[in-house]
Amino acid sequence: NAGVMQNPRHLVRRRGQEARLRCSPMKGHSHVYWYRQLPEEGLKFMVYLQKENIIDESGMPKERFSAEFPKEGPSILRIQQVVRGDSAAYFCASSPPGGGSNEQFFGPGTRLTVL
Amino acid sequence: KQEVTQIPAALSVPEGENLVLNCSFTDSAIYNLQWFRQDPGKGLTSLLLIQSSQREQTSGRLNASLDKSSGRSTLYIAASQPGDSATYLCAHHRGSTLGRLYFGRGTQLTVWP
Repeated sequence: NAGVMQNPRHLVRRRGQEARLRCSPMKGHSHVYWYRQLPEEGLKFMVYLQKENIIDESGMPKERFSAEFPKEGPSILRIQQVVRGDSAAYFCASSPPGGGSNEQFFGPGTRLTVL
Repeated sequence: KQEVTQIPAALSVPEGENLVLNCSFTDSAIYNLQWFRQDPGKGLTSLLLIQSSQREQTSGRLNASLDKSSGRSTLYIAASQPGDSATYLCAHHRGSTLGRLYFGRGTQLTVWP
């Protein structure tokens, strides 16, 4: 049973470009979460999604950031017009059905560098 | 504001020692609590999950306890090994906002041979 998959593992963008981060949850998991880890800071929650629904996006910046988890395919975290402050490690986690309080399993992360 | 504090921030010990890592939280509505390890440049590996109705969990040389009344959790590592070197993170769910985890900043552990 493969774990949570994220790609790309490393992404370099210039200021103003778009970044697309992908996350495939563990098999059988229907809940996906995105977290961001800024340098020298702890992990901060961004968004919680179930298939085709955003459950909690209270941690998402109001502008430039969006997330989706379509019926088919991976979850996507999209950052438009990236700025240097977006440079961070972005982690995706998933959990099985049965409520959002179950154990979360994390992917290896995507390390975004904005030049 | 939910705050999770981990003490110490860094710890360096010789192998073989028994260790206690501390996690304290201000949230009175904590639900589950989860301990992770993070290796440099890598993702998080789930170590233990203490469910809302439980007080402790054990896995191999690891034992985690949860005391909601005092707002504390401890991770006990027995007979530490160099391979245990990593950053250890605690995180909890909050009863009213299922889904999101609130993280501490971690304890960076170095076990030297």
